[in-house]
Amino acid sequence: EIVLTQSPGTLSLSPGERATLSCRASQSVSSSSLAWYQQKPGQAPRLLMYAASSRATGIPDRFSGSGSGTDFTLTISRLEPEDFAVYYCQHYGSSPRTFGGGTKVEIK
Amino acid sequence: QVQLQESGPGLVKPSETLSLSCTVSGGSISSYHWSWIRQPPGKGLEWIGYIHNSGRTNYNPSLKSRLTISVDTSKNQVSVKLSSVTAADTAVYYCARLGYCSGGYCLPDSWGQGTLVTVSS
Repeated sequence: EIVLTQSPGTLSLSPGERATLSCRASQSVSSSSLAWYQQKPGQAPRLLMYAASSRATGIPDRFSGSGSGTDFTLTISRLEPEDFAVYYCQHYGSSPRTFGGGTKVEIK
Repeated sequence: QVQLQESGPGLVKPSETLSLSCTVSGGSISSYHWSWIRQPPGKGLEWIGYIHNSGRTNYNPSLKSRLTISVDTSKNQVSVKLSSVTAADTAVYYCARLGYCSGGYCLPDSWGQGTLVTVSS
């Protein structure tokens, strides 16, 4: 089973700032099969990124993903008020499709 | 636009079986793969498993011995059954349509709003 470790646990930033979230895998993730989700309180998660660096339909271009192998990054170039949420990475190239523990992006 | 609605008992006794349904409206259930994900209160997401539109299933090994995911096309429902539950199974349970497909893999493009199931006597 691939274990995903996200850091930091909480990121305190102001609107307009840049957010950099990390997701590290315990072993190499095949074919960069790594996704990112955003979850707001009381809501279901929403797919942001897939294949490490491809944006899902309708996701603004301030969101970008990068990485391969065991190290992946989600970057939000300029935080908008609606971006304050919890972000999860997930690998999906093998079973089980585990999630990372999440990074909370909160308003400073 | 597809809508997913989870339903089932909100309270289940320890050692009993948790049974939830996800009713799909506005779309064909047989054309897609379907997944269940859960989230203990205040904690992160846990992938439960999925059912392919061929009927093939893929379960989280940690739950496999207790888990059944099935589809009833006549009712447009996806179901999950988890037997011998304990307090550790208390969570919000989400169903999701795996409609975002790329590179041979499919990811969730639509989710239910989730339903809280508490395991307690």
